[in-house]
Amino acid sequence: AQSVTQLGSHVSVSEGALVLLRCNYSSSVPPYLFWYVQYPNQGLQLLLKYTSAATLVKGINGFEAEFKKSETSFHLTKPSAHMSDAAEYFCAVSRRSWMNRDDKIIFGKGTRLHILP
Amino acid sequence: DTEVTQTPKHLVMGMTNKKSLKCEQHMGHRAMYWYKQKAKKPPELMFVYSYEKLSINESVPSRFSPECPNSSLLNLHLHALQPEDSALYLCASSQFGGLLNIQYFGAGTRLSVL
Repeated sequence: AQSVTQLGSHVSVSEGALVLLRCNYSSSVPPYLFWYVQYPNQGLQLLLKYTSAATLVKGINGFEAEFKKSETSFHLTKPSAHMSDAAEYFCAVSRRSWMNRDDKIIFGKGTRLHILP
Repeated sequence: DTEVTQTPKHLVMGMTNKKSLKCEQHMGHRAMYWYKQKAKKPPELMFVYSYEKLSINESVPSRFSPECPNSSLLNLHLHALQPEDSALYLCASSQFGGLLNIQYFGAGTRLSVL
């Protein structure tokens, strides 16, 4: 079964500092991996996705993530944090059904990113 | 326009009430989704409609009844809910089913069951 583990339910960084949100996945098949962001009182927005093309994936708002098969990781980074980055971030993996179809996104528990002035 | 509109934004209902949540998109998307999100938890998939047909039901209790009257509209009918059903209900749509298509989320309906 596919799953993701997000390390740290809360992460605090200073404005202008590097953002690093950690995600490890478990999958017996090549996965699709995603990072979503949820701002307060809003729905989710896709930041980026990995679909087995390039291992370094660039997303919106200056975020990027690197797929590392040897480490089963898909960590999210941003070189310089901005106050507007304060939000909940979810790492997610595709579920491969018994029909061998990727039919569902399984979310991690989320990491709340706090930006310190 | 990448907007998914959900109404109402907030809903309070008693356990004997019948209410409906509405979701609308005008992006020509053919797949639509309902998710449930409890406080400080990730979203959990409830239902998926593909080309107006129910394609996934994640073993959701029958007190939740989805309906897709046309390709732009998705409803979730609620009846005899329990207090533990209080949550944020999110709707999403994507161009087609399958996970290579980006899901666009609405802002959600925050439901309180008394």
